[in-house]
Amino acid sequence: EVQLVQSGAEVKKPGESLRISCKGSGYSFTNYWISWVRQMPGKGLEWMGRIDPSDSYTNYSPSFQGHVTISTDKSISTAYLQWSSLKASDTAMYYCARHEDRVGTPFDYWGQGTLVTVSS
Amino acid sequence: QSVLTQPPSVSAAPGQKVTISCSGSSSNIGNNYVSWYQQLPGTAPKLLIYENNKRPSGIPDRFSGSKSGTSATLGITGLQTGDEADYYCGTWDRVLSAGVFGGGTKLTVL
Repeated sequence: EVQLVQSGAEVKKPGESLRISCKGSGYSFTNYWISWVRQMPGKGLEWMGRIDPSDSYTNYSPSFQGHVTISTDKSISTAYLQWSSLKASDTAMYYCARHEDRVGTPFDYWGQGTLVTVSS
Repeated sequence: QSVLTQPPSVSAAPGQKVTISCSGSSSNIGNNYVSWYQQLPGTAPKLLIYENNKRPSGIPDRFSGSKSGTSATLGITGLQTGDEADYYCGTWDRVLSAGVFGGGTKLTVL
């Protein structure tokens, strides 16, 4: 069974750093890309960027380029989303999602989401 | 402001049919496949339709998709109260070189 299991909810202060994770199982992790999707409270889905776990190649939405870093450790089938300095506006639910290794392919499996709350 | 445009809400009675539109441009819908996702309250999105009109295993044929030019449509027949959810269209935008979603449509089954 394909599963993407994300790390638990986080509460952070502005300026702090954070890394959340997404662990894949039930499939060959390096054969599929992982994308990250943000959903701010009461709002819609926003694609942040994606990574190819086979070679760690990434590309980011212009809206998120420079604000977050996506990485992966294929030895443990895990992808990461990282901030170096959080802002209150980063408060949101973050989902990872799997898709085939071509642009425009559908997100066929999703993680359960990680809620990030940034508040002083 | 989302790149793809969806109506904020639609509603219909149980057993009826509803359609949800998704409008884009030549840089996204016009040159790429469209997917549709269902997000039930408090849960992660779920793939409903891919490659414009294909259903993943386990998705009932009450759900259908179509695409024409720079617009796509999700259709749901035989509405059930369990279909109440937010629905999102998504595709790739060649100019932005990014994935894009519609703003989402909240379906209410009256």
